[in-house]
Amino acid sequence: NAGVTQTPKFQVLKTGQSMTLQCAQDMNHEYMSWYRQDPGMGLRLIHYSVGAGITDQGEVPNGYNVSRSTTEDFPLRLLSAAPSQTSVYFCASSWEPGAGYTFGSGTRLTVV
Amino acid sequence: SQQGEEDPQALSIQEGENATMNCSYKTSINNLQWYRQNSGRGLVHLILIRSNEREKHSGRLRVTLDTSKKSSSLLITASRAADTASYFCATGTNRDDKIIFGKGTRLHILP
Repeated sequence: NAGVTQTPKFQVLKTGQSMTLQCAQDMNHEYMSWYRQDPGMGLRLIHYSVGAGITDQGEVPNGYNVSRSTTEDFPLRLLSAAPSQTSVYFCASSWEPGAGYTFGSGTRLTVV
Repeated sequence: SQQGEEDPQALSIQEGENATMNCSYKTSINNLQWYRQNSGRGLVHLILIRSNEREKHSGRLRVTLDTSKKSSSLLITASRAADTASYFCATGTNRDDKIIFGKGTRLHILP
């Protein structure tokens, strides 16, 4: 099915470990973003990309890296996990910033 | 800081009644979008309204935008149990390509 695929769905990390959250879309969307969702905080933008090779910071970029080598993939890397990064992470894509997003189903990350 | 703020934070109404949620924002926007999130799921896009539009309809949804007051409202008519969810507004501006979400309104439809 067409859409945004996020892997893994669940992950537990120890403090200091690194990992990559995967996001792939098959709709040829140029615009992709990563958000984190915490209770009572809504969704906060981490990083976004307007096309392959172009990324920029969002509201809460510290502790995260991204790259966009292809249109389809937009991985999010946690460099050294901290308990404050415990959250649900959503990847989203659209054909332009002003169009509606298609969201992935999320990755629930716990850092202990 | 988040651009949009939804009001109220939580809303409970009887099935069949209309539900109204509001979103206020701080700076000039290009567009404003509304999303629904069922518990534990990803967000689903409901409707987008551009800065030069004042009202849009989609099924039982009606969205209004007042750029002079920097506010939008989402009206769900004839509510159903399946409308129980969180609703978020998101704004895009002229300055950059960021889409910023508010904290959401939790809507509970009582049987």
